Amino acid sequence: DIQMTQSPSTLSASVGDRVTITCRASQSVGHWLAWYQQKPGQAPKLLIYKASSQEYAVPSRFRGSGSGTEFTLTISSLQPDDFATYYCHQYDSDSTFGGGTKVELK
Amino acid sequence: EVQLVESGGGLVQPGGSLRLSCAASGFIYTDYWMTWVRQAPGKGLEWVASVNQDGGEKHYVDSVKGRFTISRDNTKMSVSLQMNSLRAEDTAVYYCARAPGSYDYWGQGTLVTVSS
Repeated sequence: DIQMTQSPSTLSASVGDRVTITCRASQSVGHWLAWYQQKPGQAPKLLIYKASSQEYAVPSRFRGSGSGTEFTLTISSLQPDDFATYYCHQYDSDSTFGGGTKVELK
Repeated sequence: EVQLVESGGGLVQPGGSLRLSCAASGFIYTDYWMTWVRQAPGKGLEWVASVNQDGGEKHYVDSVKGRFTISRDNTKMSVSLQMNSLRAEDTAVYYCARAPGSYDYWGQGTLVTVSS
């Protein structure tokens, strides 16, 4: 089974900050990596698929990069609506989610 | 508009059974894999099971193999999760999602509580 390790688990930031979240896979998943945003009481929302492809209507400040075993989600300028929990997700071999990164207000 | 609506959650005793359903609309249902993902209270997301377009290929996370069964009815545009031998650790919100690889549309979730 492929394990996904996200870091950090919590991130304190201010509006306007550049934020980077990392996800590492225990073996190569190629480009089959997605990122989701989840707010309390809501279902997850797809942000990025195939490592770097933006889902429709997702703001351009969200960028995904990486391949193989190391991936990054970058929010170029954090906005008030971005305080949430973010998950990476590999779908190369079955499916595995990372443990999540909670982005909170500093 | 794509919509996924789950139903069937509730309180069940350990060892009991429950069947979840997800009604889909707004897309060509037979073009997509469908999946179930769960989230225990205060915890992260966990993939549970997926089924291919014709229902002939199914995959499960190890912790539910032999206890849960995913199925789909393409005439009714629905996907189900039959959950048997339920344990306390199965307590979670269960989401169905459309799965063209990544999970692009999700339902609102249905809560399953396993407790005596």
